[in-house]
Amino acid sequence: AQSVSQHNHHVILSEAASLELGCNYSYGGTVNLFWYVQYPGQHLQLLLKYFSGDPLVKGIKGFEAEFIKSKFSFNLRKPSVQWSDTAEYFCAVNARGNNRLAFGKGNQVVVIP
Amino acid sequence: EAQVTQNPRYLITVTGKKLTVTCSQNMNHEYMSWYRQDPGLGLRQIYYSMNVEVTDKGDVPEGYKVSRKEKRNFPLILESPSPNQTSLYFCASSSTPGTGRLRPLHFGNGTRLTVT
Repeated sequence: AQSVSQHNHHVILSEAASLELGCNYSYGGTVNLFWYVQYPGQHLQLLLKYFSGDPLVKGIKGFEAEFIKSKFSFNLRKPSVQWSDTAEYFCAVNARGNNRLAFGKGNQVVVIP
Repeated sequence: EAQVTQNPRYLITVTGKKLTVTCSQNMNHEYMSWYRQDPGLGLRQIYYSMNVEVTDKGDVPEGYKVSRKEKRNFPLILESPSPNQTSLYFCASSSTPGTGRLRPLHFGNGTRLTVT
């Protein structure tokens, strides 16, 4: 079964700083990859996804992620964060051939105005 | 409006008293799933369903039951709740063009359950 690792569970940044969140998964086959965001008190919403094609994917709100197959990674980036990016971010992986979506433990990001 | 609706939003109960959390989606999605969210543990999948009458265990199914008698509904049943089931629960749905090709999940607003 696939598993997902996210590091640096708590991140504190100032506005305009750059953000990068790491995501590594353990599965040797083809995968579908997702980043979800959970704003305080809300449900999860999709930020971006990767199914195939260009490994650099762009999502909503200026976020992007890069799939590096050789490193089993799907890191999330944003060049300049805003206070409204304060949220918890989850990486998720679906291995082709099964119907389960595995989530990482999340990154709590706090942006200080 | 496309949505996943969970009820109730908040629930406090006592150990051993059976309860059901309802989940309904209006997007005609085949795939539905339940997750629990606990601090430091992220989201863990409890059960999922690929379609009517097709359900399967996720990573933490113990103590839970589900049913999928209709495509739109996927209730989560706790026959005998215990304090370690105190958690935030999310229902989600997705379209699936085929096995192992999940589309993005649409999440409900969550149910915060406290078992005393």
